[in-house]
Amino acid sequence: GNSVTQMEGPVTLSEEAFLTINCTYTATGYPSLFWYVQYPGEGLQLLLKATKADDKGSNKGFEATYRKETTSFHLEKGSVQVSDSAVYFCALSDRDAGNNRKLIWGLGTSLAVNP
Amino acid sequence: ETGVTQSPTHLIKTRGQQVTLRCSSQSGHNTVSWYQQALGQGPQFIFQYYREEENGRGNFPPRFSGLQFPNYSSELNVNALELDDSALYLCASSVSGSTDTQYFGPGTRLTVL
Repeated sequence: GNSVTQMEGPVTLSEEAFLTINCTYTATGYPSLFWYVQYPGEGLQLLLKATKADDKGSNKGFEATYRKETTSFHLEKGSVQVSDSAVYFCALSDRDAGNNRKLIWGLGTSLAVNP
Repeated sequence: ETGVTQSPTHLIKTRGQQVTLRCSSQSGHNTVSWYQQALGQGPQFIFQYYREEENGRGNFPPRFSGLQFPNYSSELNVNALELDDSALYLCASSVSGSTDTQYFGPGTRLTVL
């Protein structure tokens, strides 16, 4: 079945460092891909998405490009801030046997940014 | 425009009890999905509701059940609670037929003792 694999954390960076969180997926067909962020004590927030190959999603300085050839959707940010400390989840949309959509999630990558 | 809200925020139950969690979807959204997120894990899909009917289900036993109401709000019911049911329960709303973007509530933290 479809699946998502994220790099393991925790990731610890200094403020203004470059961030990459790797995400690869296995899927039949052409799913949409998402990055969600979960700040401490809060629910999940959609960070960015891409719906087809070569699409680039971007938001709040974060970017990710849908790479069909490498089945990847790596999250990047050029200069992280302390406020970016959170858990980041990569996810793909999937259709079940009844053609209903659901999200398949990676395990999450914890990011800590130090001042 | 109000976002997705969930109640209660926290809940403590004992093994064997029953629990009901509630979710109000974002304005204009007619589809509600429920997820279970164990500590340190990604969310696991429980089920989805559309037009007051279950519209897809993950690998959860029948003691996990739900409802959707005409105003698109939803309930998740869990019977015969087990210790492993302790988790954050997330509700997400979306618009059927959209590009499948789901918007999440803050979650309900359930602890089973």
